[in-house]
Amino acid sequence: QVQLVQSGSELKKPGASVKVSCKASGYTFTSYAMNWVRQAPGQGLEWMGWINTNTGNPTYAQGFTGRFVFSLDTSVSTAYLQISSLKAEDTAVYYCARDLSPVLRYLGYWGQGTLVTVSS
Amino acid sequence: QSALTQPASVSGSPGQSITISCTGTSSDVGGYNYVSWYQQHPGKAPKLMIYEVSNRPSGVSNRFSGSKSGNTASLTISGLQAEDEADYYCSSYTSSSTLSAVFGGGTQLTVL
Repeated sequence: QVQLVQSGSELKKPGASVKVSCKASGYTFTSYAMNWVRQAPGQGLEWMGWINTNTGNPTYAQGFTGRFVFSLDTSVSTAYLQISSLKAEDTAVYYCARDLSPVLRYLGYWGQGTLVTVSS
Repeated sequence: QSALTQPASVSGSPGQSITISCTGTSSDVGGYNYVSWYQQHPGKAPKLMIYEVSNRPSGVSNRFSGSKSGNTASLTISGLQAEDEADYYCSSYTSSSTLSAVFGGGTQLTVL
């Protein structure tokens, strides 16, 4: 069965960087795009963008350019989200989410989420 | 401010039906049949409930249905059950920026 397992919670200081991992199993990793979604405490969902797992080409939503980087290691079926120059407002749960199918660009499978806390 | 507008909360009694609206513009909800709905229980990851306006993924109860009229999409839950109590988010493709999707602000459903 499809599983997305994310790395554990992180506590970082402002200005630091963090790298969140999302390990996929149960399907061919390079056949489905991977998305990233942010949810600040008590707030709604924000689509951050997606990465083509076949080509490695990322697409970033408005507001998620510059400090946010999507990457892959296809040898271990893992997607990564790196955030640099962390700010307090980056405190949120970050989810990876796989497309429902190669042609249906909906968030059909989700990781469990990774809480990133930015605090001095 | 979210791109799509949802009511902050709705409520209903067990067995009743409720409808959650999601209002956008001609650049998103009204222009494309790429609307989806997600259910999120507290502390859990969201779950896809409806895609392409009215399609249900395998395993989702047929008590959940979706529709669209103009710039407004709707999620209807019939035969309300206690387990339906959760937050619900709509989402749509948008042409207002390059290849992006937008979410609504979310609706908290309370089963009385």
